[in-house]
Amino acid sequence: GDSVTQMEGPVTLSEEAFLTINCTYTATGYPSLFWYVQYPGEGLQLLLKATKADDKGSNKGFEATYRKETTSFHLEKGSVQVSDSAVYFCALSGETSGSRLTFGEGTQLTVNP
Amino acid sequence: GAVVSQHPSWVICKSGTSVKIECRSLDFQATTMFWYRQFPKQSLMLMATSNEGSKATYEQGVEKDKFLINHASLTLSTLTVTSAHPEDSSFYICSARQVLGPLHFGNGTRLTVT
Repeated sequence: GDSVTQMEGPVTLSEEAFLTINCTYTATGYPSLFWYVQYPGEGLQLLLKATKADDKGSNKGFEATYRKETTSFHLEKGSVQVSDSAVYFCALSGETSGSRLTFGEGTQLTVNP
Repeated sequence: GAVVSQHPSWVICKSGTSVKIECRSLDFQATTMFWYRQFPKQSLMLMATSNEGSKATYEQGVEKDKFLINHASLTLSTLTVTSAHPEDSSFYICSARQVLGPLHFGNGTRLTVT
């Protein structure tokens, strides 16, 4: 079945540092890929998405590129801020699964001033 | 923008009692809603898909009689944890999708069973 694997956390960075959170997936066909962010005490918010190979999703300075050849969708940001502290989830929606999402384990990011 | 409201945001109940969690789409109609469960420091696990006007579709390993789902209208789905036990303590999150639109998540409900 479909699965998503994220790098283990927690990740602690200083403000303005470069961020990478690795995400790889297993799925048949061509799934859609997502990054969600969960701020403390809140639900999930869609951060960015990509629906086909080589697509790049971007939002709020975050980027991720859909790499079919490496089955990856790594999240990056060039300069993190304290307000980026949150839990980040990589997720996929398979070709036949409709709106059902399969999530990775989540990565806790803490950015210190 | 589209919002999904979950209520309550947190609840504490005694073992053996039942707890109902509501999920509402505030400004759109959702024929399908999803219920997830999140254990501490773990990912979200899909429990069931709630379909308006019909029975919910449960994921493998989820007890239908334990987690009752009712989707009586296009804007409301409820999850009832029946005869709750401490192992049911968790963070429950619902999501709803606009027609041809993105998924929206509620803020979640923290359930603690004592």
